[in-house]
Amino acid sequence: EAGVTQSPRYAVLQEGQAVSFWCDPISGHDTLYWYQQPRDQGPQLLVYFRDEAVIDNSQLPSDRFSAVRPKGTNSTLKIQSAKQGDTATYLCASSRLGHPNQDTQYFGPGTRLLVL
Amino acid sequence: QQKVQQSPESLTVSEGAMASLNCTFSDGTSNNFRWYRQHSAKGLEVLVSIFSDGEKEEGRFTAHLNRANLHVSLHIREPQPSDSAVYLCAIHQGGSAKLIFGEGTKLTVSS
Repeated sequence: EAGVTQSPRYAVLQEGQAVSFWCDPISGHDTLYWYQQPRDQGPQLLVYFRDEAVIDNSQLPSDRFSAVRPKGTNSTLKIQSAKQGDTATYLCASSRLGHPNQDTQYFGPGTRLLVL
Repeated sequence: QQKVQQSPESLTVSEGAMASLNCTFSDGTSNNFRWYRQHSAKGLEVLVSIFSDGEKEEGRFTAHLNRANLHVSLHIREPQPSDSAVYLCAIHQGGSAKLIFGEGTKLTVSS
């Protein structure tokens, strides 16, 4: 079974530029998560979807970040007008609906973003 | 919101010696605790999931949960240099799928 895949693996931007990250979850997983992991910190949830619906986006900086999952499969996270503070690794994870407290989240390799 | 703290920040052990990592949390009502491992520039690999007080073993990795003391630990038996990585404690927030992570413990296993 293929794992969670993400692209690109690396991105380098100047401040003010836009960037998109793409995630393909494990087949059959209905829940998809995007995390931001600054250097030397733990991952912090930005947004998560069940199928195509946003369940929680309370930590997503809505003025510059957006995330979609239009068909309930792949997802795109976009940053408009990146800032140096957005420098981090962006991780995608997926899980299968069961008991919500017991679903294991499986993570992709991440996209490392550097904003100059 | 659940707060999660890990200790120590970094740990060096010799190959074959037991490694013990700690995690404390603020809300004892959660019942879903996980330990993940992250090798440099790679994604997270789940090691152990534990849902009730007591002990859960997965190969060389054993988690101990004591919700009354707001504490969960990970013990690595016979660590090898390939176990050198950052270990992350993660706890579900209330009844949701939201995971709250600690800052991680960097483990170095010397040969």
